[in-house]
This record gives sequence, C-alpha cells and structure tokens, in this order.
Amino acid sequence: DTAVSQTPKYLVTQMGNDKSIKCEQNLGHDTMYWYKQDSKKFLKIMFSYNNKELIINETVPNRFSPKSPDKAHLNLHINSLELGDSAVYFCASSPGTGIEKLFFGSGTQLSVL
Amino acid sequence: DAKTTQPTSMDCAEGRAANLPCNHSTISGNEYVYWYRQIHSQGPQYIIHGLKNNETNEMASLIITEDRKSSTLILPHATLRDTAVYYCIARGDNYGQNFVFGPGTRLSVLP
Repeated sequence: DTAVSQTPKYLVTQMGNDKSIKCEQNLGHDTMYWYKQDSKKFLKIMFSYNNKELIINETVPNRFSPKSPDKAHLNLHINSLELGDSAVYFCASSPGTGIEKLFFGSGTQLSVL
Repeated sequence: DAKTTQPTSMDCAEGRAANLPCNHSTISGNEYVYWYRQIHSQGPQYIIHGLKNNETNEMASLIITEDRKSSTLILPHATLRDTAVYYCIARGDNYGQNFVFGPGTRLSVLP
C-alpha cells in the first residue's frame, strides 16, 4: 500500500481553468502538507493542515485553497490557473508530534498551457 | 530555522562510501539536523536525523561535529540507485515549524 498517494500524476490544462489535485495518506498522521517544486527544483511549502486547521500558509495566492474532508485527505484546489503555476506539486504527511519525519507522495506535474 | 549550506554537486564511485557535508554554523540548541533525498521525478525521501549524537540506520550514518556547526551524511556503500539530490535541513522540534529545503547536493554515483 502506498503511504501517501496523490492523483493525478500528470495534469495538463489551459490557462484560466480550475483544477484539483487529491492527496490521501494511510499512515494515521495528524499533519498534511502541500509543497511546490518549480522549474529550478526548489521545494517550497505551500500549506500544512493539522486536524482540519490550517497552520502554515506561506504567501500563496488565494487562488490556491487546501480542502481537508478528513484527517487522511488534503486536496489542493487551484482557481484561474496561470502559466506560472506550472510546477510539480507534492503532498506530504507527518505525525504532527514536533520531531517530524515527512513522508511525500510521488508528485503531480501540472502544466498550464 | 538555521540556514544550511551544501556543495552543489559531488561524484562518488559505486561501492565506495559517499560523504556528503553540510554546514549549519548558526544552528540553535533545539534544532535537529535532517537529511532527505530526492531521486529524479520522485518525492523526497527521509533518510535520517539527529541532534547531537551520531546516528545510524539502515540507509546511512549521520556524523555531527561536537560544536554542531556541521555534519556529514555517510552512505557506506553507494550504489547507482543512490544518485539523487540530498537535502540537509536544520529544524527545531517545536510543533508547526517548517522544513525549509535548499538546493541540496546533487550526488552522482558513477559505475
């Protein structure tokens, strides 16, 4: 069983569209994250969620919104997609105890045309 | 979180030990040193972490200097599959703190 799974793996779409990326973890972790890796390969945190509460939001445009229906899921919704949103998006989870190990999904490559 | 600096790239011969250095001269007392790696097109993978003492697990060893200003990740017998970008991160143990990924070290294991 994959510990952190995200779908789809590839997403190609037009500018202005709205899209979602789903993430699920079966590790029983309390905290989930979204990271963005741009073309220069820098990994930057976008959001983290703990028990349905947003605890970090790193100056991400409000076109991006995380949605957590339950502790095991953290989906990423993106409205009005722009060319600059093209990147690889990684979901991750951690126990949420302080001394953390992050477990990452395999990534979603988003291409905005 | 303390800033870390790593060499941009390194090569290692297959079967030899790979020693990846990391400087974290401004690390504070409650900050742990974490190592992750990212194999091409995959999500980052946790390797090891430590505070003061040297640590070893099935993947690697972590050697932290006594003053904690630098550390070395050791892959004892590098294989081609260890070719990846390796990230050294200093992070406090307070709940909610970020993992800040820098550019890392691109390790190439050569046959």
